[in-house]
Amino acid sequence: EDKVVQSPLSLVVHEGDTVTLNCSYEVTNFRSLLWYKQEKKAPTFLFMLTSSGIEKKSGRLSSILDKKELFSILNITATQTGDSAVYLCALTYGGSQGNLIFGKGTKLSVKP
Amino acid sequence: GAVVSQHPSRVICKSGTSVKIECRSLDFQATTMFWYRQFPKKSLMLMATSNEGSKATYEQGVEKDKFLINHASLTLSTLTVTSAHPEDSSFYICSASATGYEQYFGPGTRLTVT
Repeated sequence: EDKVVQSPLSLVVHEGDTVTLNCSYEVTNFRSLLWYKQEKKAPTFLFMLTSSGIEKKSGRLSSILDKKELFSILNITATQTGDSAVYLCALTYGGSQGNLIFGKGTKLSVKP
Repeated sequence: GAVVSQHPSRVICKSGTSVKIECRSLDFQATTMFWYRQFPKKSLMLMATSNEGSKATYEQGVEKDKFLINHASLTLSTLTVTSAHPEDSSFYICSASATGYEQYFGPGTRLTVT
């Protein structure tokens, strides 16, 4: 059965800390791995990863994919209270138009 | 780029009526659109996948006759909640993909059925 597992499910840190969120997966015909940040409304797109070992970076956020070990990490450095959100990992896989499966998310709380 | 809009953002309807939610890709052609429902404190639940010009593929447990999905063009998909009941009250989100590799989400629609 195809699946996406995120860990930890929740995390509380203080401003300035660095956090690493994990996403492991088992899917058939992998296409891409996506990271999203969800606050009160719809998820906002962070990264799309298709190739192993190539780090994607945006400000204090970065992510990398390991297609051999079937996981990805999302790093956030110098966390701020505005980083508090649920971070979702999703996989697209399968046929010509792709299927999509989400992990349950990691709830990050950043305390002042 | 890659902007997806939803309309309306909020809707309140009476039990037994139907409500239509539109999802549009504004600056790209979406061959595939996805409809999600989000329950409180839970991750997104995929309801159905729609490809332009063909019937939607529904996830197990989602009633096809209750949640009608139409993907009439490469930029528009609609979700109609028919004979809505209070338990249908939820946050409905669509996403759109041009290639099947990426997903861009709309801002969501808050449906309240009274």
